Amino acid sequence: EPEVTQTPSHQVTQMGQEVILRCVPISNHLYFYWYRQILGQKVEFLVSFYNNEISEKSEIFDDQFSVERPDGSNFTLKIRSTKLEDSAMYFCASAGGGAFTEAFFGQGTRLTVV
Amino acid sequence: EDQVTQSPEALRLQEGESSSLNCSYTVSGLRGLFWYRQDPGKGPEFLFTLYSAGEEKEKERLKATLTKKESFLHITAPKPEDSATYLCAVQASSNTGKLIFGQGTTLQVKP
Repeated sequence: EPEVTQTPSHQVTQMGQEVILRCVPISNHLYFYWYRQILGQKVEFLVSFYNNEISEKSEIFDDQFSVERPDGSNFTLKIRSTKLEDSAMYFCASAGGGAFTEAFFGQGTRLTVV
Repeated sequence: EDQVTQSPEALRLQEGESSSLNCSYTVSGLRGLFWYRQDPGKGPEFLFTLYSAGEEKEKERLKATLTKKESFLHITAPKPEDSATYLCAVQASSNTGKLIFGQGTTLQVKP
């Protein structure tokens, strides 16, 4: 069964360092998303991406964040200068039947900023 | 502001004891309501999509229903393997497929 794959599963980084979280969406999907979940809190939307551009972003997704689809299979989230409050679980998701169909999530990358 | 509230926050059931989880929502034009299951340390796993009031979907011991203000996830004769956090999320017509999640209901089913 097709699935969304995220790497690494866990990343520890020092405050101020850049991190890149990687995702391989389901192969025929066209809509891509990043969400995050701080421990014990709700899953929060960060950004949606379609047709090689951002279609919507939340207030959380400030200038420190960027997304890229460098090739036909990968989708990345970059945080330029990490802060302690960026520590969270980051989920990539993709949807194939249109923006308003079900999104399938990866297993997440746990980011710990120390 | 679009909002999703789930209740209860936590629910403990004995195996075989049926119950319902509630998801109340306020959204500017509902495009879809989604139920996901999340196991500890894992990503949300898709369960159901509901698009219009009166719609129902079933999968094994789970049944999801939708009204104009809320959705219910009914669990019939649950088993310990149904223990998880159940997340409700909505999509509004004014956005681009973004999901707005509730805080979830953590279900524990004891044998």
